[in-house]
Amino acid sequence: AQSVAQPEDQVNVAEGNPLTVKCTYSVSGNPYLFWYVQYPNRGLQFLLKYITGDNLVKGSYGFEAEFNKSQTSFHLKKPSALVSDSALYFCAGRALNSGNTPLVFGKGTRLSVIA
Amino acid sequence: DGGITQSPKYLFRKEGQNVTLSCEQNLNHDAMYWYRQDPGQGLRLIYYSQIVNDFQKGDIAEGYSVSREKKESFPLTVTSAQKNPTAFYLCASTPLTGPGHYGDTFGSGTRVTVV
Repeated sequence: AQSVAQPEDQVNVAEGNPLTVKCTYSVSGNPYLFWYVQYPNRGLQFLLKYITGDNLVKGSYGFEAEFNKSQTSFHLKKPSALVSDSALYFCAGRALNSGNTPLVFGKGTRLSVIA
Repeated sequence: DGGITQSPKYLFRKEGQNVTLSCEQNLNHDAMYWYRQDPGQGLRLIYYSQIVNDFQKGDIAEGYSVSREKKESFPLTVTSAQKNPTAFYLCASTPLTGPGHYGDTFGSGTRVTVV
């Protein structure tokens, strides 16, 4: 069965420091991987995705993620955190050529950036 | 602008009452999904539909029903059989593509509360 794990429920970081939100996956074959962000009482907003090619993916709001096949990880990173980055972050995945079968989501990581 | 519209934003359900959540998209997406979000549990799939007049149960379909009579509409009914309906409900859609590398587009959610 496909699965995505986010090992940290909560990540705290000081404003201006680099941030990392971790994600590991168990998806058959080559995966498509996604990061979403959710602000309170809102839907999920797409941040970035990995399809193929360069292992470092750049996305919205200065976020990037590194795909590591050997470690089956897709960690979300940002060089300098902002207070406005505080939100709930979800990692999701889908197997190659699985069409529009539902994404598999991690349980989410709450990021708190402290001024 | 294209997008997904969920209504109402807030819904109060009395004991034993059926209530219907609306989800409409003008993105011409083929697949649509319903998720339930509870604190600390991430997103759980209720139902999904990959084509008009067809839908499949997700992980927590009991107590819910859906229909897909039109491509742009995928309403969710929370029936009286759902004993704990208090949650945030999210609708999403994605194009019908073989590779599956498109992410999902999400609506802004409906918060259901039992009164």
